[in-house]
Amino acid sequence: GAGVSQSPSNKVTEKGKDVELRCDPISGHTALYWYRQSLGQGLEFLIYFQGNSAPDKSGLPSDRFSAERTGGSVSTLTIQRTQQEDSAVYLCASSLGLNTEAFFGQGTRLTVV
Amino acid sequence: QQQVKQSPQSLIVQKGGISIINCAYENTAFDYFPWYQQFPGKGPALLIAIRPDVSEKKEGRFTISFNKSAKQFSLHIMDSQPGDSATYFCAGDQRGSARQLTFGSGTQLTVLP
Repeated sequence: GAGVSQSPSNKVTEKGKDVELRCDPISGHTALYWYRQSLGQGLEFLIYFQGNSAPDKSGLPSDRFSAERTGGSVSTLTIQRTQQEDSAVYLCASSLGLNTEAFFGQGTRLTVV
Repeated sequence: QQQVKQSPQSLIVQKGGISIINCAYENTAFDYFPWYQQFPGKGPALLIAIRPDVSEKKEGRFTISFNKSAKQFSLHIMDSQPGDSATYFCAGDQRGSARQLTFGSGTQLTVLP
């Protein structure tokens, strides 16, 4: 596609429910990143996929968070048993590979009530 | 994850004035320093970037000044316009390795007409 696409744009969920956030990267981009942006905060790194390499999961805040990337393209970020502190904008970005610009999607605003 | 400290948190400038945002980093392995611009409801977009082998980079009204010895860099917006009103993030990156853009906390810039 023309840019990084994320869905849904907004998600309201009840505490304790599981949610899945989707990211469609730019076609041909081998690198994909997930970041979390809490209100008034910077972007917090969550996870990074590069080609067929093992993902860098060092930023995932707890074992309730997981992500996968199928076929080297679409990625899904899953948050299990959501908590109110999970409320944030979740941003996905992709790049051609190392040493290239990262392009961000518009984000998914998650609200846990 | 090494920090990138950004200031000020918010900035109000008159139209035509100069906006200055400062960042300081800790990780001496960073070799790429981008600035991102984010409008409400949108993902961050790359504005301008610099490598540590140069002290200044200018693109139109936007200039990055870089001080390697002090581990500091700043964004200057000349002739600031109301359309520049956005949140600006600095970041540090270690290219050539597993990518993990480390972002500052952001500066909300308001340019008054």
